[in-house]
Amino acid sequence: GAVVSQHPSRVICKSGTSVKIECRSLDFQATTMFWYRQFPKQSLMLMATSNEGSKATYEQGVEKDKFLINHASLTLSTLTVTSAHPEDSSFYICSARVFGGGRFSTDTQYFGPGTRLTVL
Amino acid sequence: DQQVKQNSPSLSVQEGRISILNCDYTNSMFDYFLWYKKYPAEGPTFLISISSIKDKNEDGRFTVFLNKSAKHLSLHIVPSQPGDSAVYFCAAFPLYSGGGADGLTFGKGTHLIIQP
Repeated sequence: GAVVSQHPSRVICKSGTSVKIECRSLDFQATTMFWYRQFPKQSLMLMATSNEGSKATYEQGVEKDKFLINHASLTLSTLTVTSAHPEDSSFYICSARVFGGGRFSTDTQYFGPGTRLTVL
Repeated sequence: DQQVKQNSPSLSVQEGRISILNCDYTNSMFDYFLWYKKYPAEGPTFLISISSIKDKNEDGRFTVFLNKSAKHLSLHIVPSQPGDSAVYFCAAFPLYSGGGADGLTFGKGTHLIIQP
């Protein structure tokens, strides 16, 4: 498999502050990473696609100015929740795309461990 | 409108028996399907995948079956073990037909409970 890390694993912040979450592919390069959000007892919902060296692609209903994504290198994507509010409290998970052939036998996405954001 | 559906929120199976988790999809563009296992407050762990050119893929105790005409897939785990207790998510995306839209669409998950 492949290892994807996220930092921090848990963050509690006051309403109105900004929070940055990092997603790293530790042992491979990822030109494409994804950000998902999961509310309690719900499915994972795709928020945006992060492409190295270009602008992120956001899903319908996701505010670009609120959820800033930067994919600065082939191993790092960051999600910044700007002016966070209590309704932004959720579990944020990133993933990295791998392609079948070579090291990986199949096309898939490997997920990070997630970041629990609580906005007071 | 849910494009990937897992209609059983939970499933209880005795240890040693077969677990069968089901998934249905509605989007005809989906041609690649994945199963993930997830524990609370953790990221999903990839289990197995299948492309639409196959109808079966096997990896150890895990087998995924795809019925394209019915837009249905299932994950079989045999024999079931206590460590298999978790939430299982079915996911799909248009690998070959999506023009690069690789974000996964997930079902709501099925909580599998393996009883000793």
